[in-house]
Amino acid sequence: GQNIDQPTEMTATEGAIVQINCTYQTSGFNGLFWYQQHAGEAPTFLSYNVLDGLEEKGRFSSFLSRSKGYSYLLLKELQMKDSASYLCAVMDSNYQLIWGAGTKLIIKP
Amino acid sequence: ETGVTQTPRHLVMGMTNKKSLKCEQHLGHNAMYWYKQSAKKPLELMFVYNFKEQTENNSVPSRFSPECPNSSHLFLHLHTLQPEDSALYLCASSPFTEALEVNIQYFGAGTRLSVL
Repeated sequence: GQNIDQPTEMTATEGAIVQINCTYQTSGFNGLFWYQQHAGEAPTFLSYNVLDGLEEKGRFSSFLSRSKGYSYLLLKELQMKDSASYLCAVMDSNYQLIWGAGTKLIIKP
Repeated sequence: ETGVTQTPRHLVMGMTNKKSLKCEQHLGHNAMYWYKQSAKKPLELMFVYNFKEQTENNSVPSRFSPECPNSSHLFLHLHTLQPEDSALYLCASSPFTEALEVNIQYFGAGTRLSVL
């Protein structure tokens, strides 16, 4: 079966760095996506990885290792507004997104 | 503003009611999706429309009936729902369903549905 695993909840301190991990087992691979979802709002696209390595976008970076079926989202200089759920999704061989259950990130002052 | 608008934002209905959810995208995309989001569960893909043609129906009960009159509008018609159908229903759109380029899905804010 297809499976995406990520931690249910994480807590971090304002100004710090946090890494959210995602492991996957899917039938085929056409890229890995990270989305951010604030409570009561739409999921919004953060990043996309299809090749191994690190993609950096400002305070957010995403890493992919296809051989290990592993990705992480790295958030630097955490701000209170970063409190949200972070969703990991893999596009499989049928070009469908397979989703993780999301990681709720709580930022404390 | 994500370019994808869903109405209503909240809906409470009885098990015998009939209601419809509406989604409209202003992004010029050709593919539209319905997802179900339940607490602490992964997003569940329900239906996919590509160029107005339904291309995916992931074993969704017939009490959910989608309609896509054009590439910009998507409806989800609901009838005789069950309490376990209470969830957040998200609509998304993307340029294509299959592409070698990045095919990012853009989401609406969802309709929070409660079935009593």
